[in-house]
This record gives sequence, C-alpha cells and structure tokens, in this order.
Amino acid sequence: EVVMTQSPATLSVSPGERATLSCRASQSVTSNLAWYQQKPGQAPRLLIYAASTRATGIPARFSGSGSGTEFTLTISSLQSEDFAFYYCQQYNNWPLTFGGGTKVEIK
Amino acid sequence: QVQLVQSGPEVKKPGASVKVSCQASGYRFTGHGISWVRQAPGQGLEWMGWINTYDGNTNFAQKFQGRVTMTTDTSTSTVYMELRRLSSDDTAVYYCARDISAIVQDVFDMWGQGTLVTVSS
Repeated sequence: EVVMTQSPATLSVSPGERATLSCRASQSVTSNLAWYQQKPGQAPRLLIYAASTRATGIPARFSGSGSGTEFTLTISSLQSEDFAFYYCQQYNNWPLTFGGGTKVEIK
Repeated sequence: QVQLVQSGPEVKKPGASVKVSCQASGYRFTGHGISWVRQAPGQGLEWMGWINTYDGNTNFAQKFQGRVTMTTDTSTSTVYMELRRLSSDDTAVYYCARDISAIVQDVFDMWGQGTLVTVSS
C-alpha cells in the first residue's frame, strides 16, 4: 500500500501568517491527492483534490501543489478558524491511504 | 438539504458484531459511491472500504477482508457497514463519506456525523 507521510506533525503559526504543510507518498500517486481539514469532534472537510483543485466553497487562501510523491498545502494568511488538523489522502491506488496528519496550532 | 445521517453510538463486547447505517438525502443516491473511514481515539483516518450504491459492488482494505460487509438499500438511500469479531482495537468513530461524483471517485466531499463504536468487556 502507499504510505503517506506528513510533516511537520505540529505547526505553530501566528494568525495572519502563512502555513506550509507537506505530504510525501512512498510511490508516485500522480495528481490523485486530496487534503482535508478536521476540527475536534467534527467530521473531516474536503479542501483540495487533484492536488490543486479547491473544493466547492473553500476560500482562496487554501492552495495545493505538487505531483508524483511530493505535495504541499499552503494557507496564505491563517484565520482563527483555520487552526485544526490537516490530512492528506492518496486515491491513486486501493487501499486509499491517509497521512498521519498535521496539527496547526496558534503560536 | 444534502446530508449523510448515521446511526447512533454503540457499545459492544469483544467478539460481537456491529452494524452502522448511513442514510443519504438531498441528492441522487446511486450517483455517488460511499466509503467507510474510521478514526480511533486521538488517531488519524483509516479507510475501510467502498461500496457502489448503484450495483452494490464493494472493495475492502485487506485489513478488513472477511470481517466487514457493506450493503446498500436504494429504496431508503441507506448504506450499511457491518464489522464482525470486534476487539478493543476496533473502538473508533466510524464515518461514511460520499464520493464527489461518479467520475471523481475516492475523494470525499460529504461526510456523515460519525458513529462512536466502543468495544469493551
């Protein structure tokens, strides 16, 4: 199965600053990569799919990039509601696999 | 309103089975596949398997093969996930999640609210 590795595990950022999250795949997943946001006690919410396509209703401050094995989620200017966990997921191969997550916390 | 509504929390003993439901509303049920994803306490997300809501075809993660069943009832727009031979390692929140479309599968644009399954003697 494709192993997804996210870094860092925790990212401390001040409101208004830029956040950059990384996701690496153990083998190429082409552009079949999605990003989700999850807040405590809530279901995940889709942010990005096809590596760089924003899902419906997702603000433009969220952007995704990368292909193959290296991917990045960038939040250009963190808002208070963006402090949460973020997961990447590959859907190039079954079984679908998720990264271990990055917690974005207030600095 | 487009939504997935799951059944309530369950408490089971080791060795028992659990069946969780996920009822869809507000969209064409058979136009989107459904996956089940679980999350153990304080842990990440784990994909369990997928069902084609149109024809009932399934695909499971190898880890759950032989222990999980997924079924669909188009008359009530409901998908069911049954997990057998439960152990404490199965204690988790179980989510159903909808494929974006029949073309973009395995990316989840809508999730149920989650069902907590607790396995304890």
